[in-house]
Amino acid sequence: GAGVSQSPSNKVTEKGKDVELRCDPISGHTALYWYRQSLGQGLEFLIYFQGNSAPDKSGLPSDRFSAERTGGSVSTLTIQRTQQEDSAVYLCASSSGQGYYGYTFGSGTRLTVV
Amino acid sequence: GNSVTQMEGPVTLSEEAFLTINCTYTATGYPSLFWYVQYPGEGLQLLLKATKADDKGSNKGFEATYRKETTSFHLEKGSVQVSDSAVYFCAYEGAGSYQLTFGKGTKLSVIP
Repeated sequence: GAGVSQSPSNKVTEKGKDVELRCDPISGHTALYWYRQSLGQGLEFLIYFQGNSAPDKSGLPSDRFSAERTGGSVSTLTIQRTQQEDSAVYLCASSSGQGYYGYTFGSGTRLTVV
Repeated sequence: GNSVTQMEGPVTLSEEAFLTINCTYTATGYPSLFWYVQYPGEGLQLLLKATKADDKGSNKGFEATYRKETTSFHLEKGSVQVSDSAVYFCAYEGAGSYQLTFGKGTKLSVIP
């Protein structure tokens, strides 16, 4: 597509439930990133996929968080047993290479855990 | 460790005022530096970038110069407009890295 598409745009879930967030990157972009944007905290790196290489999961805050990328395209970020501190905007970005080329961000999924 | 520090907001300016948002970084080597902008209700967009010392990035009337001696990449605009109201993020990518490190963002409000 023309841009990075994320769904849903908003998600309200009850504490303890699992959620899945989806990202459709720009066609042909080999690199895909997930970031979390919390109020007053800026953007926090979560995970990075590059082609068929093993992802860099170093930013995932706990083992409740996981992500996969199928066929080098669509990615799903899963949060299990959600907690209130998980409430944030989750941003996906894709790039044709290193960030030097500039990431293209999606509009994000606003997650609210109640 | 590597980090980005940008001036805290919010910043409120009148239309046509001069804008400076300070950004300094701590990193080894020669990182690439970026400014991203997030307009209300939208995703982040790349505003400008610079990849080596003394480079000047520019776009939409905004400018920032990569100053290695002061490890800074301050964002400037000579005459802001209401449409510039947004959150601005300074970021860097370390040489050979693939991960952007962002500052906490500075919210700019421009009033008529």
